[in-house]
Amino acid sequence: GAVVSQHPSWVICKSGTSVKIECRSLDFQATTMFWYRQFPKQSLMLMATSNEGSKATYEQGVEKDKFLINHASLTLSTLTVTSAHPEDSSFYICSASESYEQYFGPGTRLTVT
Amino acid sequence: DAKTTQPTSMDCAEGRAANLPCNHSTISGNEYVYWYRQIHSQGPQYIIHGLKNNETNEMASLIITEDRKSSTLILPHATLRDTAVYYCIVRVAKNNPGGKLIFGQGTELSVKP
Repeated sequence: GAVVSQHPSWVICKSGTSVKIECRSLDFQATTMFWYRQFPKQSLMLMATSNEGSKATYEQGVEKDKFLINHASLTLSTLTVTSAHPEDSSFYICSASESYEQYFGPGTRLTVT
Repeated sequence: DAKTTQPTSMDCAEGRAANLPCNHSTISGNEYVYWYRQIHSQGPQYIIHGLKNNETNEMASLIITEDRKSSTLILPHATLRDTAVYYCIVRVAKNNPGGKLIFGQGTELSVKP
């Protein structure tokens, strides 16, 4: 149980375009989901916390207009990277919270050319 | 949340016990110690957590000192598949739904044949 999926697992896009990443909790309802970003050889950095039906809470330094988060249901949250640039290339990981535990997705590798 | 300090890297021989230390000298009374690991290019995987008593599950054992200022994660018989980055995280109370996980730099464990 407690499986979290992400789609796509990897994506390549051109600079200036937008990319949407989905995070789904497959066998449980997640009132809270988290989005992380990880650059090569670095640790995970929390970007934002999203609660179902309300606006996401962004960490300091994360542009909310660039990283749009939607948590429309208890099993789905999406992260849209708008007007992507090469510096947005990274590994994006989501996690979903059931009660007090967090379960992580497998990650999405984004490459912006 | 309290900050943690871990060695940057460690080596372990296959079949031997891997002991990964973590310092969390500013831990509060209601904070738990969590351990996650991240195998290369995957999402983090939960290993174990504890408050003050030692804990054991099928993956590992967690030893917490009496003053709770440090802990050790023990993988009793390390295999090559245990090669990963191990993160020690101190987190607010267990009954805090959706509490944030703040990742430090972790310990890169290399299990060698």
